[in-house]
Amino acid sequence: KAGVTQTPRYLIKTRGQQVTLSCSPISGHRSVSWYQQTPGQGLQFLFEYFSETQRNKGNFPGRFSGRQFSNSRSEMNVSTLELGDSALYLCASSAPGTSGALGGTDTQYFGPGTRLTVL
Amino acid sequence: QKEVEQNSGPLSVPEGAIASLNCTYSDRGSQSFFWYRQYSGKSPELIMFIYSNGDKEDGRFTAQLNKASQYVSLLIRDSQPSDSATYLCAVGGFQKLVFGTGTRLLVSP
Repeated sequence: KAGVTQTPRYLIKTRGQQVTLSCSPISGHRSVSWYQQTPGQGLQFLFEYFSETQRNKGNFPGRFSGRQFSNSRSEMNVSTLELGDSALYLCASSAPGTSGALGGTDTQYFGPGTRLTVL
Repeated sequence: QKEVEQNSGPLSVPEGAIASLNCTYSDRGSQSFFWYRQYSGKSPELIMFIYSNGDKEDGRFTAQLNKASQYVSLLIRDSQPSDSATYLCAVGGFQKLVFGTGTRLLVSP
């Protein structure tokens, strides 16, 4: 079974521009989560989509948005880029029912990430 | 107080030794616990998950969970130089996952 794929793998943008990142989950997975990873802050949760609905959201400004399509593929958009947005953006997919416990979190598998550099 | 805490390391062990990685968390309602390995420049790779108190073994890896103490650990037996990486502890509840900042493990030949 193919893993999570993310495109593009590398991206260079300038301040003020906007960017769209794409994530295709593992076949059969309906949930996609997005994370930002920086050396200083580690892995920070952005948002999670399940069946085209945003189910959870982290503490990021409104410049960060996302969506999920009917085939479970997801996109993340960042508008008005800032230097501090330079990071590795990771998406992870999960299958329902793999949390092991009521009120848990389904097991997430990560894609290779998109390295965004803002100049 | 951070939600998930890990010692940043580096934790240095000789080849063949047991590496012990620890993690504490603050949310008592957490139900799912994961260990990921991340090599430099790569994305996190799932090693193990554990949901119930006690030990769970998978090959050279053993995860230990103590919900009363809010403590998760990962033991790596017979450590190999290829195990040198950053190990991320992740704690989940209600479909949200919170990561620690990771412990860097160095296994010397």
